[in-house]
Amino acid sequence: QMQLLQSGAEVKRPGASVNISCQASGYTFTGHYIDWVRQAPGQGLEWMGIIHPISGAATYAPKFQGRVSIIRDTSTSTVYMQLSSLRSEDSAVYFCARDRGSGSFAMDVWGQGTTVIVSS
Amino acid sequence: QSALTQPASVSGSPGQSITISCTGTSSDVGTYNLVSWYQHHPGKVPKLMIFEDTKRPSGVSNRFSGSKSGNTASLTISGLQAEDEALYYCCSYGGSRIWVFGGGTKVNVL
Repeated sequence: QMQLLQSGAEVKRPGASVNISCQASGYTFTGHYIDWVRQAPGQGLEWMGIIHPISGAATYAPKFQGRVSIIRDTSTSTVYMQLSSLRSEDSAVYFCARDRGSGSFAMDVWGQGTTVIVSS
Repeated sequence: QSALTQPASVSGSPGQSITISCTGTSSDVGTYNLVSWYQHHPGKVPKLMIFEDTKRPSGVSNRFSGSKSGNTASLTISGLQAEDEALYYCCSYGGSRIWVFGGGTKVNVL
């Protein structure tokens, strides 16, 4: 069964960094891009970035450029998303999602979400 | 890249059909046949309902259909059911490996 398992909730101080993991199972990790999407309280879904599982090349939404980094570890089928210089507006649920492949560019398998709270 | 424009809410009675619009630009929706739609129940994980503008993943009810005209994509739900009450988001590829979501539409089943 295809699954993305994310790390647990985090509480961070403003200015700190958060690192969230997303471990894939049940499918060939190297066959599908992984996206990161977040949802702040009362807000909609927001695309943050994407990583190619083989090359490790990542692309980021302009809004997060310079603050976000997405890397992967093919030996453990895990993708990591780090967001730095956290502010209160970064409090949100963060999801990783698998691109279904075949040029579809649609997210068909989602992680369970990781809640990040940024508070002093 | 600006967010795609969706109505805040759409309502319908059980059995009726409703349509949610998603307006982008000639740089995203209007250029690429890569609009996807997601259903999101609060506290749950988003679910892919439509990909590549009009295609349904296996397991998704045929009551859900997608279409597109120019810079506007649409999701139609026919035979509206109580379980369809949720938030719906469109998403489009915007070129250069960038994606953009719409603001979301709350579907209310009266």
